[in-house]
Amino acid sequence: DAKTTQPPSMDCAEGRAANLPCNHSTISGNEYVYWYRQIHSQGPQYIIHGLKNNETNEMASLIITEDRKSSTLILPHATLRDTAVYYCIVRVAAAGNKLTFGGGTRVLVKP
Amino acid sequence: GAVVSQHPSWVICKSGTSVKIECRSLDFQATTMFWYRQFPKQSLMLMATSNEGSKATYEQGVEKDKFLINHASLTLSTLTVTSAHPEDSSFYICSARLTTEAFFGQGTRLTVV
Repeated sequence: DAKTTQPPSMDCAEGRAANLPCNHSTISGNEYVYWYRQIHSQGPQYIIHGLKNNETNEMASLIITEDRKSSTLILPHATLRDTAVYYCIVRVAAAGNKLTFGGGTRVLVKP
Repeated sequence: GAVVSQHPSWVICKSGTSVKIECRSLDFQATTMFWYRQFPKQSLMLMATSNEGSKATYEQGVEKDKFLINHASLTLSTLTVTSAHPEDSSFYICSARLTTEAFFGQGTRLTVV
């Protein structure tokens, strides 16, 4: 699986959009971009994933650059409960494939 | 989304004893489950891949005789930490795959005293 690079931490204001970047310059054509988050002392929670098109669901939006070498997770209106570590993972979307976690971005939403 | 449940949520055990952690997929069948370990302020580290009806596949550096994994049914995988020592104290998390998505249990905090 391709390696990803994320900033170790970032702060954002409650109610504002949070934009979380991820670099994955070695991504292969069949690898998807997945985002998970982990709130303190809980298991990771799936957020969203995409291949090349931008994706949106009730939690977030995923913007993938045209060359697929980077992506941005957007939390449209951050709340205090969005404080968590956010992990960007790229991998082939096959049923048996494992997820390999990097360092992630520690996001602190401030009032 | 699909639900994965771990039990217990936390456990304290004496050094030298064994501890079993259960991981259940509540509303779907999972041929493959994964076990992770997470130390404070660190990321999740994959320990092993659990396959229903066959032996688990362990990651490099993980002792298979110390961390026994059994995946006897399509909804249950167990991790047994044998002869636990204080350095085994950690947060253990399981994951089950449903199509292309992975769903995680709430984690089990193990403290060995």
